[in-house]
Amino acid sequence: DAKTTQPTSMDCAEGRAANLPCNHSTISGNEYVYWYRQIHSQGPQYIIHGLKNNETNEMASLIITEDRKSSTLILPHATLRDTAVYYCIAEGNDNDYKLSFGAGTTVTVRA
Amino acid sequence: GAGVSQSPSNKVTEKGKDVELRCDPISGHTALYWYRQSLGQGLEFLIYFQGNSAPDKSGLPSDRFSAERTGGSVSTLTIQRTQQEDSAVYLCASSFSWTLSYEQYFGPGTRLTVT
Repeated sequence: DAKTTQPTSMDCAEGRAANLPCNHSTISGNEYVYWYRQIHSQGPQYIIHGLKNNETNEMASLIITEDRKSSTLILPHATLRDTAVYYCIAEGNDNDYKLSFGAGTTVTVRA
Repeated sequence: GAGVSQSPSNKVTEKGKDVELRCDPISGHTALYWYRQSLGQGLEFLIYFQGNSAPDKSGLPSDRFSAERTGGSVSTLTIQRTQQEDSAVYLCASSFSWTLSYEQYFGPGTRLTVT
C-alpha cells in the first residue's frame, strides 16, 4: 500500500474553500486515492475516491495530478460542521479490503 | 435507512474479565470490518468478514481476541482476559461487498475502558 503524507493541521475560514493536500509519490497503477473524515467522537465517514480522473460529488471534489503522485481534496464552502480529521488513503481496489488510516489532517473551520 | 449500530456504546470492565462487543451492519451489506482506535491514534485494522467467513485474521492483536459473524449479519468481537492496553474505541464498518471496500460505513464505536 502506498504511503501518504498529509499536513498535521490546517485552519480555514467558514464559507471559503478548503484545499487539503496529500502526497502519495509511491502510489502504484492500481491503487486508488480515498478520502475519509472523522468528526470528533464519531466513526469515519467516506467522502470520495478516485483513480486518475478528477471526481466530484455532493460533499467534495478530488483533484489528482497527472502523475498521480499527489492529490487535493476540496471542500467548496467549508462550514463549522466540516471540522474533523481528514484521512487520505491510497489502496488497491482489487484484493485490498482494509483501509490503512494514517494520522490525517486536523481541519479546523473558524467562523 | 438505518446505519451501522454498535453496542454497548461504552463499556468499563476490570482487568482479566471477558467482554463482548456487538455490531449490526447495514442490511444487505455482506462485508463487515472491525477496527480499533486508541486515544489520539489512527485506526488499526483488526479483522474483516465476507459473509460469515473471516479470510484475514492477521490484524487481531493476540489470541485473546476473536470474532464471529452469524447469518451474514450481526458480528461479535470478544476479548478474553482483558488488559489495560485493550482500552480503545472499537469501530465496526460494513460495505455492500468486499469489492466495494473503499466505501465503508462506520458505526459510532464502542468505547472500552479496562481498569
